[in-house]
Amino acid sequence: DAKTTQPTSMDCAEGRAANLPCNHSTISGNEYVYWYRQIHSQGPQYIIHGLKNNETNEMASLIITEDRKSSTLILPHATLRDTAVYYCIAYNDYKLSFGAGTTVTVRA
Amino acid sequence: EPEVTQTPSHQVTQMGQEVILRCVPISNHLYFYWYRQILGQKVEFLVSFYNNEISEKSEIFDDQFSVERPDGSNFTLKIRSTKLEDSAMYFCASTVNTEAFFGQGTRLTVV
Repeated sequence: DAKTTQPTSMDCAEGRAANLPCNHSTISGNEYVYWYRQIHSQGPQYIIHGLKNNETNEMASLIITEDRKSSTLILPHATLRDTAVYYCIAYNDYKLSFGAGTTVTVRA
Repeated sequence: EPEVTQTPSHQVTQMGQEVILRCVPISNHLYFYWYRQILGQKVEFLVSFYNNEISEKSEIFDDQFSVERPDGSNFTLKIRSTKLEDSAMYFCASTVNTEAFFGQGTRLTVV
């Protein structure tokens, strides 16, 4: 799996968009970009994934650069319940490898 | 909405005892996993299971660990002789072929 790099932490104001960057410069052509989050000590929760195209679902949007070396997860209207550790993972072999992720704190 | 169910939510055991952590994956899923997370550390992959056999395991998953799918619904992780350093949250996950769904975990405390 390609290595990913994320900021250690970031703050976001409630109601504003949260943009979470991820670098995956060594990603291979068949590796997908997956985003998960972990709220406190709960089980990781799937958010979204993509290969080349931008993706949107009810939780978030995923913007992948044309060269696929980086991506951004967008939480359009952050709420206090979005406070969590967010993991960006590049993989294609049915095994997720979690890094340290980005600790996102949403403040009122 | 279907979910992965883990039992028990908390387990306290004495060092050297055997423990079995139980998971009920989502019914039509084909791939099953165990992960663990020591307090304050990363989520670590332990083992993946497909077609009734282990498909991959990490260095953590030594001879003290085993997994089993004894029937069509349960997926278990057994630790034969627990050590203090086995204290952690243990997460089960399952997937069809894309996103993995995780259970809420079992907090194992070895005393």
